[in-house]
Amino acid sequence: QQQVKQSPQSLIVQKGGISIINCAYENTAFDYFPWYQQFPGKGPALLIAIRPDVSEKKEGRFTISFNKSAKQFSLHIMDSQPGDSATYFCAAGMKGYQKVTFGTGTKLQVIP
Amino acid sequence: DVKVTQSSRYLVKRTGEKVFLECVQDMDHENMFWYRQDPGLGLRLIYFSYDVKMKEKGDIPEGYSVSREKKERFSLILESASTNQTSMYLCASREWDARKTQYFGPGTRLLVL
Repeated sequence: QQQVKQSPQSLIVQKGGISIINCAYENTAFDYFPWYQQFPGKGPALLIAIRPDVSEKKEGRFTISFNKSAKQFSLHIMDSQPGDSATYFCAAGMKGYQKVTFGTGTKLQVIP
Repeated sequence: DVKVTQSSRYLVKRTGEKVFLECVQDMDHENMFWYRQDPGLGLRLIYFSYDVKMKEKGDIPEGYSVSREKKERFSLILESASTNQTSMYLCASREWDARKTQYFGPGTRLLVL
């Protein structure tokens, strides 16, 4: 019940296109949904996060869409750039539970 | 600027050796975590600590132990390294609230021969 399922495992997008990564969770007690970005040779770093009281959060070219009834959330990268090539992890957390559950990751490659 | 540092970027060890991986954070965070990262498996939690001398098992604790003698330092110990422990090891720290940002170190790539 603590799982977060992430898809696809890998993604190739043309420069300027839209990258979409999806995640689904089971535990309705989760109330914090971050996305982490990891470049090769580096540790993951927080990219953007959302709470379930909003359906969408946008920061620059990155948008999280959240569907509470479907227990799904997704990351959209608009106008994808080669510099966005990285591994992306979705995650879920909740107040009072110390562990954050991570998805299995999506390796994104943006080709020129 | 917040910082999580790990003692080594690359390590090569032999089967049966005792291996120490060290992590230091400078943010006075209560929580510290050890993950291993393997292709297709994502980030799997090995152990975490919510206070000095306190620890809890994560999802894959077998073959590992941890030590937290000071708030800023969290060590991962492989008592007798095996080839299936070849992996990328990531340390992270965070404030008490699980809804705060988790800060990761750069990782240690461990090869066990």
